[in-house]
Amino acid sequence: QQQVKQSPQSLIVQKGGISIINCAYENTAFDYFPWYQQFPGKGPALLIAIRPDVSEKKEGRFTISFNKSAKQFSLHIMDSQPGDSATYFCAAGTSGSARQLTFGSGTQLTVLP
Amino acid sequence: GAVVSQHPSWVICKSGTSVKIECRSLDFQATTMFWYRQFPKQSLMLMATSNEGSKATYEQGVEKDKFLINHASLTLSTLTVTSAHPEDSSFYICSARAGFQPQHFGDGTRLSIL
Repeated sequence: QQQVKQSPQSLIVQKGGISIINCAYENTAFDYFPWYQQFPGKGPALLIAIRPDVSEKKEGRFTISFNKSAKQFSLHIMDSQPGDSATYFCAAGTSGSARQLTFGSGTQLTVLP
Repeated sequence: GAVVSQHPSWVICKSGTSVKIECRSLDFQATTMFWYRQFPKQSLMLMATSNEGSKATYEQGVEKDKFLINHASLTLSTLTVTSAHPEDSSFYICSARAGFQPQHFGDGTRLSIL
């Protein structure tokens, strides 16, 4: 019930291409869906987040698409760059005083020059 | 803004010793801090949640006597790994949040127990 399933585990994309990472959740109480980017030896950095009242959110080259009925959300990275090579984690959380996050298993993205 | 500093970034110590890791929110008051553990090429696993001035809430399977958490102020939380053993070797990451704002993460502490 608390799991967030993320795919693919790894992704290789050519420079300029579109990177797509998918996540699915079960708990319908989740109402906050952030994406984090993590470089080796560093902590995760918040990229973009969405709430279930919208179906899409775009910030620069990063877009979240959200499908509430399917309980799925995805991250699209347009015009992928070698500097985007990192591990990406989706997460889901609930409103409230704690708002703990449940993380997906991560996707290692490699953007080839 | 929203900078979280974690110290030390890397520590190596002998089995049986205790190790303290600090997590500071530098430019905001963190009402809630979280501690995570991450094994190589794996996801972040929440260990505990702490609110300033309150006892930490530990996730199932996390030994509270092994991993002591103190959140004495709105800008500082500490994680002490007591009597550390090689199986405690991992990457420990803290995050901090002000009210209902997003969590901001520190850069982690790599703990190696010999």
